[in-house]
Amino acid sequence: DVKVTQSSRYLVKRTGEKVFLECVQDMDHENMFWYRQDPGLGLRLIYFSYDVKMKEKGDIPEGYSVSREKKERFSLILESASTNQTSMYLCATYPGTSSYEQYFGPGTRLTVT
Amino acid sequence: AQSVTQPDIHITVSEGASLELRCNYSYGATPYLFWYVQSPGQGLQLLLKYFSGDTLVQGIKGFEAEFKRSQSSFNLRKPSVHWSDAAEYFCAVGVYQFNNDMRFGAGTRLTVKP
Repeated sequence: DVKVTQSSRYLVKRTGEKVFLECVQDMDHENMFWYRQDPGLGLRLIYFSYDVKMKEKGDIPEGYSVSREKKERFSLILESASTNQTSMYLCATYPGTSSYEQYFGPGTRLTVT
Repeated sequence: AQSVTQPDIHITVSEGASLELRCNYSYGATPYLFWYVQSPGQGLQLLLKYFSGDTLVQGIKGFEAEFKRSQSSFNLRKPSVHWSDAAEYFCAVGVYQFNNDMRFGAGTRLTVKP
């Protein structure tokens, strides 16, 4: 089974702090994604990566950056957290083969005060 | 641009009743279609998927979905709902030909009455 883990289930940070959300997968998948989930808006893509050190902006990249130094790890960085970044953050992976489905981690509920 | 619409934000059904969750998509070619379920505080779990072939697909937990090209729809159904089905359901379309991403609907929250 594919396993996608996220470093924290719940996180509380203060406005202006630098925040790191980590995602690790154990299935050697090429593609990894970061989404944020908000009520009534579904999942919106922040960034994705199709290879080590490669990244592409999604629909809402403003205020975020990412890092992928190793294939299994994809980090989401909030350079200076703001209250409007309070949300659920979901990491996903995709093998890039005929399976096509994405595999999700459990999510990190981030609250910025 | 591709998009997914789930017209129902919240649905309440009685336990044992049938269920249909609606999903419409907008996409130029035949998409890859998915239904995911999210239990409270959890990540998303795949219920079923459609790529090609038989337009009626079976998934886990007794769910099925039917792809109707003429209506651009991919509705999720279950003949008899269980209390444990209470969750949020997301329809999604895969856009892998272009940028390897997936577009999600806003979700439908299902409440099951005893």
